[in-house]
Amino acid sequence: AQKITQTQPGMFVQEKEAVTLDCTYDTSDQSYGLFWYKQPSSGEMIFLIYQGSYDEQNATEGRYSLNFQKARKSANLVISASQLGDSAMYFCAMREGGNYQLIWGAGTKLIIKP
Amino acid sequence: NAGVTQTPKFQVLKTGQSMTLQCAQDMNHNSMYWYRQDPGMGLRLIYYSASEGTTDKGEVPNGYNVSRLNKREFSLRLESAAPSQTSVYFCASRRVLGDQPQHFGDGTRLSIL
Repeated sequence: AQKITQTQPGMFVQEKEAVTLDCTYDTSDQSYGLFWYKQPSSGEMIFLIYQGSYDEQNATEGRYSLNFQKARKSANLVISASQLGDSAMYFCAMREGGNYQLIWGAGTKLIIKP
Repeated sequence: NAGVTQTPKFQVLKTGQSMTLQCAQDMNHNSMYWYRQDPGMGLRLIYYSASEGTTDKGEVPNGYNVSRLNKREFSLRLESAAPSQTSVYFCASRRVLGDQPQHFGDGTRLSIL
């Protein structure tokens, strides 16, 4: 079974609109962490935002926020007021229990239209 | 700030050749990782090193070996390259204190003919 599922292979969004990128996860651990990374066409992986399983508040970092719904096991990334520079691949990843490694989703390709 | 440095950035090999990909970080991180990324897929972990002196297999270790040379450096070796190992390889590191994010190098694009 997939541990991290990103159901949207690709999305087109008009500039300045808000965007929600979906991520659902599967774990039986009580302690876990969820991460979002951005990969522009230049190829580098850029860390965006993190949510811990015990965090009661949704994480926010500038225009990025994480809509964490623990009971539904979802951790959707919300980008407010999208910009052309937001066009990229976006990956959701999870750290389970005491593991050092991350489990990665397949990614969502986001294209912002002018 | 250099962060995580990978060399080389590009390489073309012939089937059967050997090669070592180098990775160095200057952030005093304990853990280091090697991933491969294939088209349309997320990252798959090849090997990782939780701390200096230890290495462990990830999801796709076959055909690869690693060496954690010291705290800064973590190399990935292909002993006998195969076309199936054509991929983009990423090295990452992280500080082992709470849930710190992994920091990535810029990747090595490797083609095996």
